[in-house]
Amino acid sequence: GENVEQHPSTLSVQEGDSAVIKCTYSDSASNYFPWYKQELGKRPQLIIDIRSNVGEKKDQRIAVTLNKTAKHFSLHITETQPEDSAVYFCAASQGYGGSQGNLIFGKGTKLSVKP
Amino acid sequence: DAGITQSPRYKITETGRQVTLMCHQTWSHSYMFWYRQDLGHGLRLIYYSAAADITDKGEVPDGYVVSRSKTENFPLTLESATRSQTSVYFCASSDRQGNSPLHFGNGTRLTVT
Repeated sequence: GENVEQHPSTLSVQEGDSAVIKCTYSDSASNYFPWYKQELGKRPQLIIDIRSNVGEKKDQRIAVTLNKTAKHFSLHITETQPEDSAVYFCAASQGYGGSQGNLIFGKGTKLSVKP
Repeated sequence: DAGITQSPRYKITETGRQVTLMCHQTWSHSYMFWYRQDLGHGLRLIYYSAAADITDKGEVPDGYVVSRSKTENFPLTLESATRSQTSVYFCASSDRQGNSPLHFGNGTRLTVT
């Protein structure tokens, strides 16, 4: 079955710097790759997602890149702010439509942004 | 989001007892999911449902039972709770087309003593 590896497990940056989190997946049939942000004691919330027919997607300070050949995808956060501090999870799915919620998650990266 | 609610928020039970976690959504989403979250493991899918009366196993289904008699409800039952089932449980839902992101509930923190 699918396996998703996420690195690093912890990441500390200075406010204003960039942060990059990387994930690799094992099953080439995976076609949907979301990223979730989870603040302490709260539910995971989707911040950005990408599908296998797209190489890059941006949303303000957040971007995701996908390399299907190498089977890895990355989250890039620019101009980090203290409120970006949270645990970030990558995930992969082979589903279409609603079944894309059948996700395999990475183990998470705890991002700390120091003021 | 108020559209998906889980109850209870916190539950303490003893080993061997049966416990049911409730999940209710008001969006009429076709798909519903149960995930568990443990330190060092991230989130893992337990069961999911594509529609009423249709359920399927996820990554870690052993020790759990689900049902979906109505579209809006997706209860998760631990028939005989074990300490290894101490976890935070998240319910989630998604529409059939996948146009909406996966919406998670607030979670239930379950402790098995």
